Amino acid sequence: GENVEQHPSTLSVQEGDSAVIKCTYSDSASNYFPWYKQELGKRPQLIIDIRSNVGEKKDQRIAVTLNKTAKHFSLHITETQPEDSAVYFCAAKTDNYGQNFVFGPGTRLSVLP
Amino acid sequence: KAGVTQTPRYLIKTRGQQVTLSCSPISGHRSVSWYQQTPGQGLQFLFEYFSETQRNKGNFPGRFSGRQFSNSRSEMNVSTLELGDSALYLCASSSGTSGVNEQFFGPGTRLTVL
Repeated sequence: GENVEQHPSTLSVQEGDSAVIKCTYSDSASNYFPWYKQELGKRPQLIIDIRSNVGEKKDQRIAVTLNKTAKHFSLHITETQPEDSAVYFCAAKTDNYGQNFVFGPGTRLSVLP
Repeated sequence: KAGVTQTPRYLIKTRGQQVTLSCSPISGHRSVSWYQQTPGQGLQFLFEYFSETQRNKGNFPGRFSGRQFSNSRSEMNVSTLELGDSALYLCASSSGTSGVNEQFFGPGTRLTVL
C-alpha cells in the first residue's frame, strides 16, 4: 500500500523567512496530494492541494510543487508569520472514487517573532 | 454551509466498554471518512462510508466498525475498549463524486480510555 514520509519533523524559522516541508510517496498511482494545517486543539484544515497532472500550484504565500518522477511533493510558505505556526500534514490518495488518504507523520512549524 | 460536526467532543470510558461516536457531514456531502489521530501514529485511516456502504477500510481490528444513515450522518463504534484506543477521532466529509477529492474535517471526539 501507499506510504508517505515527511521531513523535517520540526522546523523553526524567523518571521519573514521561508519554510519548506517535503514529502515522498511510494505508490506511483497516487494522483491527489493535499496539505493540511492543524493548529493546537483544532481540526486539520485544507490549505492547498495538487493533482498529479499539475507540477505546481500557488495560493498567495503558499505553494506546492510535485515531482511525479521522483515521487515527492513539497510545501513552500514564504514571508512566514507567527500565525503560520502549526503542525502541517501532507497526504496522498490513489483511488479516484474513495477517500482513503495516507498521511505523513506531520511537521511542527514554529515561526519565531 | 455549516461545517462538519461531531458529537460528543469528549468521552471518558474504561477498558472493556464500548463507545459510539457521531459525525454529521457538510450538507450535500455523501462520503464520510473516519481517522484516528494519536501522537505516536499520526493520522490513520479507519474507513469510509458512501451512500450507506463502506467503500474503503483501513488496517484496524474488527472492534472498530461504522455505519452511515440515509441522511449521510455516520456513526463509529469501538467495542471492548483498550487503553491504546485513547485518541482523537476525526471524521471528514467530501462530496464523494469521482475526481472530487477535497475533504473537510470535523472538530474531533477526544476519547480517553482508563
